[in-house]
Order: sequence, then C-alpha cells, then structure tokens
Amino acid sequence: GENVEQHPSTLSVQEGDSAVIKCTYSDSASNYFPWYKQELGKRPQLIIDIRSNVGEKKDQRIAVTLNKTAKHFSLHITETQPEDSAVYFCAAMGGGATNKLIFGTGTLLAVQP
Amino acid sequence: NAGVMQNPRHLVRRRGQEARLRCSPMKGHSHVYWYRQLPEEGLKFMVYLQKENIIDESGMPKERFSAEFPKEGPSILRIQQVVRGDSAAYFCASSPISSTGGSGNTIYFGEGSWLTVV
Repeated sequence: GENVEQHPSTLSVQEGDSAVIKCTYSDSASNYFPWYKQELGKRPQLIIDIRSNVGEKKDQRIAVTLNKTAKHFSLHITETQPEDSAVYFCAAMGGGATNKLIFGTGTLLAVQP
Repeated sequence: NAGVMQNPRHLVRRRGQEARLRCSPMKGHSHVYWYRQLPEEGLKFMVYLQKENIIDESGMPKERFSAEFPKEGPSILRIQQVVRGDSAAYFCASSPISSTGGSGNTIYFGEGSWLTVV
C-alpha cells in the first residue's frame, strides 16, 4: 500500500522567512496530494492541494510542487507569520478503488516573531 | 453547509466500557472516513465507508473496533471494551462522489471526538 514520508519533523524559522516541507510517496498510481494544517486541539484544515496532472499550484503565500517522476511533493510558505505556526501534514491518495488518504508524519512549524 | 459534524466532542470512558462516536458527513457527501490520532502523532487511516458498505477497513484493529454507515443516520465508530491505549482523537472526514482528478477527491474533516479512557 501507499507510504508517505515527510521531512523535517520540526522546522523553526524567523518571521518573514520561507519554510519548505517535503514529502515522498511510494505508490506511483497516487493522483491527489493535499496539505493540511492542524493547530493544537483542532481539526486538520485543507490549505492547498495538487493533482497529478499539474506540476505546481500557488495560493497567495502558499505553493505546492509535484514531481511525479521522483514521487516528491513539497509545500512552500513564503513571508511566514506567527499565525502560520502549526503542524502541517502532507497526504497522498491512490488512483485505485480505495479512495483513502495516507498521511505523512507531520511537521511542526514554529515561526519566531 | 454545516460541514462534517461529529459528536460527542469529548468522551470519557472507564476501561471495559463501550465508546460510540458519531459522524454526519457534509451535505451531498456519500463517502466517510475515520482516522485516529494518538497524542502528538499523525493521522492513521482506520476505515472508509459508503452508505451501507465498508469499502476499506485495512486500518481497523481486528478486535473491538467496528464501523457502519447506515442508509439513514450518521456513521458510527464503535469501540468495545475500551483500554487506555484507545485514548486518542478520532476524526471523521467526508468527500463527495469519488472521481479521479476531479473535485470528488477533496476530503474535509470534522472537529474530532476526543476519547479518554480512565
């Protein structure tokens, strides 16, 4: 089955700097790659997603890139702000009948003011 | 659109009791997923259901755990004879009709049910 690895597990940046979180997946049939932000005690919230027919997608300060050949995808946050501090999860969804998301282990992002 | 509704938000059970967690998907969504999140860990897939069908239960423990999504009413995750290790946040999520490459893939999470076993 699908396996998703996520790095780094923790990331500390200064306010205004950029943050990059990277994920790899194992199932070449996976075709949907969302990113979720989870604050302490809250639900995971979808912040951006990308599908396998697209290489890059951007939404204001957030961008996601996908390299299907290498089975890599990354989250880029520019001009980070203290409110970006949270745990970020990547996920991959297979292209077969099992329409489930497999999550990475999460990255704790701390933005220092 | 009310979003994915879960209840109870917090549940305390003594060891050996049963826990029932309920989930109503977003309006128009026919797919329900349950995930478990242990303290300071990631989201682990448990089960994927459509109305009256279990599609994938590969993440469910073999004993004490069961899930259903009846024709009428919410999806229910049932944990029998709870143990301390069952203490976790249980998140339900839903999505529209499955379709590869389309908006059907987008999955939205509920607020979660926090189970504490004492």
